[in-house]
Amino acid sequence: SQTIHQWPATLVQPVGSPLSLECTVEGTSNPNLYWYRQAAGRGLQLLFYSVGIGQISSEVPQNLSASRPQDRQFILSSKKLLLSDSGFYLCAWSRGGSFSYEQYFGPGTRLTVT
Amino acid sequence: AQRVTQPEKLLSVFKGAPVELKCNYSYSGSPELFWYVQYSRQRLQLLLRHISRESIKGFTADLNKGETSFHLKKPFAQEEDSAMYYCALLSDSGYALNFGKGTSLLVTP
Repeated sequence: SQTIHQWPATLVQPVGSPLSLECTVEGTSNPNLYWYRQAAGRGLQLLFYSVGIGQISSEVPQNLSASRPQDRQFILSSKKLLLSDSGFYLCAWSRGGSFSYEQYFGPGTRLTVT
Repeated sequence: AQRVTQPEKLLSVFKGAPVELKCNYSYSGSPELFWYVQYSRQRLQLLLRHISRESIKGFTADLNKGETSFHLKKPFAQEEDSAMYYCALLSDSGYALNFGKGTSLLVTP
């Protein structure tokens, strides 16, 4: 069966520090991968998605970047965190190919920037 | 622009009462819509999708193109239905989902 992992579960970082959140998927090949952020009172916002290794689409311009170095690994990064980067970050995957209807979500990472 | 609006942040109903969670969308094409649910201490998961016209856990949702709505309904709410519900619209790319801000449903005995 397929599983999705995210780490760390919680993270407290000072303003200006770098960030690296990792997401990995097991049990499937060539998945579509997604990063979402849930900020207070704002609902789920899609940040990035990837349909293949090295292919990243950004939905919202921001202080963050994403990379997909391996088929089932998706990394969210920042060189210098801002206070506004605080939030709950969710990674998700769906079956490869277009019009993949169901997305499967990870447990999330709670990021607090101080 | 594609947009999903869930006007209610919180909806509280009694057990056994009907429940309707509202979702309105803005999309120029033919929409693909979904409801996702997050129970306490669980991951966000798909509840139902409009193309399959299915009923899951007693919930149904009908796409009304004239009113651009996709409201989630259940005739008799149960306490275990208490959760956060998100309406989502598939984007033009066919890959990404645009989520609403969510509605927290509380079913009280």
